[in-house]
Amino acid sequence: NAGVMQNPRHLVRRRGQEARLRCSPMKGHSHVYWYRQLPEEGLKFMVYLQKENIIDESGMPKERFSAEFPKEGPSILRIQQVVRGDSAAYFCASSPPSGAFYEQYFGPGTRLTVT
Amino acid sequence: AQRVTQPEKLLSVFKGAPVELKCNYSYSGSPELFWYVQYSRQRLQLLLRHISRESIKGFTADLNKGETSFHLKKPFAQEEDSAMYYCALAYSSASKIIFGSGTRLSIRP
Repeated sequence: NAGVMQNPRHLVRRRGQEARLRCSPMKGHSHVYWYRQLPEEGLKFMVYLQKENIIDESGMPKERFSAEFPKEGPSILRIQQVVRGDSAAYFCASSPPSGAFYEQYFGPGTRLTVT
Repeated sequence: AQRVTQPEKLLSVFKGAPVELKCNYSYSGSPELFWYVQYSRQRLQLLLRHISRESIKGFTADLNKGETSFHLKKPFAQEEDSAMYYCALAYSSASKIIFGSGTRLSIRP
């Protein structure tokens, strides 16, 4: 089991472009969580998804950010019209359907830089 | 509001010395508290949780509801303990984890 995969590991975008971050959960995991880490800060919860459903998006900014976890394929975190303040590390975690939600397995993260 | 505070950004101790990483929380219900660790070039991983009352790699953490604290302790630090440590609070009603800002532990030889 390769663990949670995230790609790309590094992403550079100019202001106004779109950023797409991908997360492939561990095999058998159907719950995905996205977190954002700004410099010198802890991880901040963004969204919790199960296959084809958004369970909790209370941590997502109201505009420009969206997330999906389709029936097939990876989970996608999409940021439209990026701004410099979006520069951060974005982490994805997954957990199995029958496990405790806090037993999350983290990916290596995607570092987004907006120039 | 739920909050986790780690007052120290960096903690540096000598090998063999005791370690205490501080964590305070704010939560009105019954919290579930955890420590996560990230070693250099590795992923964030769960270290221990308060409900299991276990010792992992020599680390323990006791939940003190009166002081709303969950400090991480180890009696004798080892060089391989150098890492970033995050205290976290989970509340099952929301299936959500709230992380502190982290403490970088550096063990000097």
